[in-house]
Amino acid sequence: GNSVTQMEGPVTLSEEAFLTINCTYTATGYPSLFWYVQYPGEGLQLLLKATKADDKGSNKGFEATYRKETTSFHLEKGSVQVSDSAVYFCALGLQGGYQKVTFGTGTKLQVIP
Amino acid sequence: KAGVTQTPRYLIKTRGQQVTLSCSPISGHRSVSWYQQTPGQGLQFLFEYFSETQRNKGNFPGRFSGRQFSNSRSEMNVSTLELGDSALYLCATTQGGGDHTGELFFGEGSRLTVL
Repeated sequence: GNSVTQMEGPVTLSEEAFLTINCTYTATGYPSLFWYVQYPGEGLQLLLKATKADDKGSNKGFEATYRKETTSFHLEKGSVQVSDSAVYFCALGLQGGYQKVTFGTGTKLQVIP
Repeated sequence: KAGVTQTPRYLIKTRGQQVTLSCSPISGHRSVSWYQQTPGQGLQFLFEYFSETQRNKGNFPGRFSGRQFSNSRSEMNVSTLELGDSALYLCATTQGGGDHTGELFFGEGSRLTVL
């Protein structure tokens, strides 16, 4: 079956630190990959996506590269801010999946001043 | 453009009761998906509707059901509630015309507590 594994949190960083959240996946076929973010008290919102191997998704200073050879989609940011504190979800969707998205368990990030 | 609206936002029920949750999608979005979010299991896919038809279903018991109306609004129902049904139920919508998975737009969720 399809699955997403991401590093457990919580992750606590000081402001301006470098962030990496690891994500690996297992899928039949060629998935699209996503990072969603959930701020406290809110629903999820798409942060970035990549639809094929070697694509790089980027948004708000966050980046992730679709690595087919390592089945990974790690999230990175060079300098985190307090406002980045949230829960981050790695996810995949498949062609023919009719909007069925498989999510990782989420990684909580706390950035301290 | 109004976002995805879920009602009610919070509700408390007792075991054995049933509950109905509602989701109004973004205008023009015809696909509505439902997810259950719990601390232990993360987000689990329940089902997806498009043009009043269920196209995909997750691995949940038959107590969980849903439907979609002609205006794309969707409801999900949970019957004979159990303590383990306590969760945040999230609705996600998208235009959904094709069979590929695109960006999902989420509502803020309905938080159900079963006592």
